Amino acid sequence: AQSVTQPDIHITVSEGASLELRCNYSYGATPYLFWYVQSPGQGLQLLLKYFSGDTLVQGIKGFEAEFKRSQSSFNLRKPSVHWSDAAEYFCALTGDGGSQGNLIFGKGTKLSVKP
Amino acid sequence: DVKVTQSSRYLVKRTGEKVFLECVQDMDHENMFWYRQDPGLGLRLIYFSYDVKMKEKGDIPEGYSVSREKKERFSLILESASTNQTSMYLCASSLGGLPSGANVLTFGAGSRLTVL
Repeated sequence: AQSVTQPDIHITVSEGASLELRCNYSYGATPYLFWYVQSPGQGLQLLLKYFSGDTLVQGIKGFEAEFKRSQSSFNLRKPSVHWSDAAEYFCALTGDGGSQGNLIFGKGTKLSVKP
Repeated sequence: DVKVTQSSRYLVKRTGEKVFLECVQDMDHENMFWYRQDPGLGLRLIYFSYDVKMKEKGDIPEGYSVSREKKERFSLILESASTNQTSMYLCASSLGGLPSGANVLTFGAGSRLTVL
């Protein structure tokens, strides 16, 4: 069965520190992978996506993610966190199995940033 | 930029009322989706539509119906609202016509529904 697991429900980091949010997936073929961010009371904004090719993908706001097939992971990273990065982050996947692009989401990781 | 607009940001309804949540996208997208978001459960798909008048059930369709009479508009209907339908509802759209996995979803800002 297809699934996305985000092991960390809540993470707190200090401003200026590095960040890594974990995402593991289960899928029978090569997935399409996404990270979205949601600020309080808002919809989801796409940070980055992996379709194929280079396994290290760059996104907006200084984020990057690395696809590791052997580990079934797609972790999100940022070298230096800003207070404005406090939000909830969702990893998601889809595939070409006729799902019309419907996304399967992880349950999210809430990021708090300490001054 | 694609814009997905959900007409109501906040709604308060009473148990048993009929509720309409409206979603409009302005970029001629083929696919439209309704998700429900609850703390600790993430986003769950209620229904999606890949063409006018076409609809497919998602993971949690019970208690909901949808309508897509025009390409740009996708409505979610709660025939008789219940307290367990209190939630954040997110609409999304995607282009279509590609390998399905390559369709990036664009989300609206959400509609927070409270059923008393």
